Amino acid sequence: QVQLVQSGGEVKKPGASVKVSCKTSGYRFDNYGITWVRQAPGQGLEWMGWISTDNGNARYTQRFQGRVIMTIDTSATTAYMEVRSLRSDDTAMYYCARVLSSGWPDWGQGTLVTVSS
Amino acid sequence: EIVLTQSPGTLSLSPGERATLSCRASQSVGSRYLAWYQQKPGQAPRLLIYGASSRATGVPDRFSGSGSGAYFTLTITRLEPDDFAVYYCQQCGPLPPITFGQGTRLEIK
Repeated sequence: QVQLVQSGGEVKKPGASVKVSCKTSGYRFDNYGITWVRQAPGQGLEWMGWISTDNGNARYTQRFQGRVIMTIDTSATTAYMEVRSLRSDDTAMYYCARVLSSGWPDWGQGTLVTVSS
Repeated sequence: EIVLTQSPGTLSLSPGERATLSCRASQSVGSRYLAWYQQKPGQAPRLLIYGASSRATGVPDRFSGSGSGAYFTLTITRLEPDDFAVYYCQQCGPLPPITFGQGTRLEIK
C-alpha cells in the first residue's frame, strides 16, 4: 500500500535550518509529484510548494521563495524539504502528500518543527 | 491568489442531522480544481472530495460535493460521531498558488 513516512520532530533555534524527509513506498516514485503543507498550532493549512519527482523541478509559494528548498532522492524514493533562516512563526506541523490529478489522497504523518531560543 | 472563504466558521449539529458547509472563492475556480479535506485532531488531512463532486476512495456516500464557479458546498447527510472534525476546501489550479479555506469546525451539539 502507498505510504509516506516523515522524519521525526525537530527543535531548532531561530536562524537555523531544518530538513524534513518524506520516505515513500508502495508506488512508482517518479510518477507522482510531492507537495508540502504546513499547519501552525491551532491554525489552518498552508501550501508551501510542490516538486516534480520526474525531473526535480520545484515550485514554491511566493512567501517561501528563497527560504525553502525542496529536493528529491529518486534512488531512495524520498523527498526533502529544507527551511532556512527559521523564525518562531515557522513553528508548525509540516506534511508531505502525494499529488494525483484526483487530489492528494496520501499524506505523511507530519513532522513537528519547533523554533525556540 | 484565489482566496477561499468558508462558512460557517463553526457548525454545531447533532448526530443524524444534515451538515451543509460552504466555500466561496474570490474568483471563479474550475470545478476540477476544487477539493474538500477532513482533519481530525492530531491527524493529517484526509481527502474527501475532488473535482468538486467526486468522492475519494473509501469515502462514504453520506459525503457529497457540489457547486461551480465561485460557490461550492460539502454536504454530509446523517451525521455520525466520527464526522465531527474540521473541514477544509482547497483550490489547486491550474496555476499556483494552491490555497485552502480557513476551515469549518463541525462540532457535536
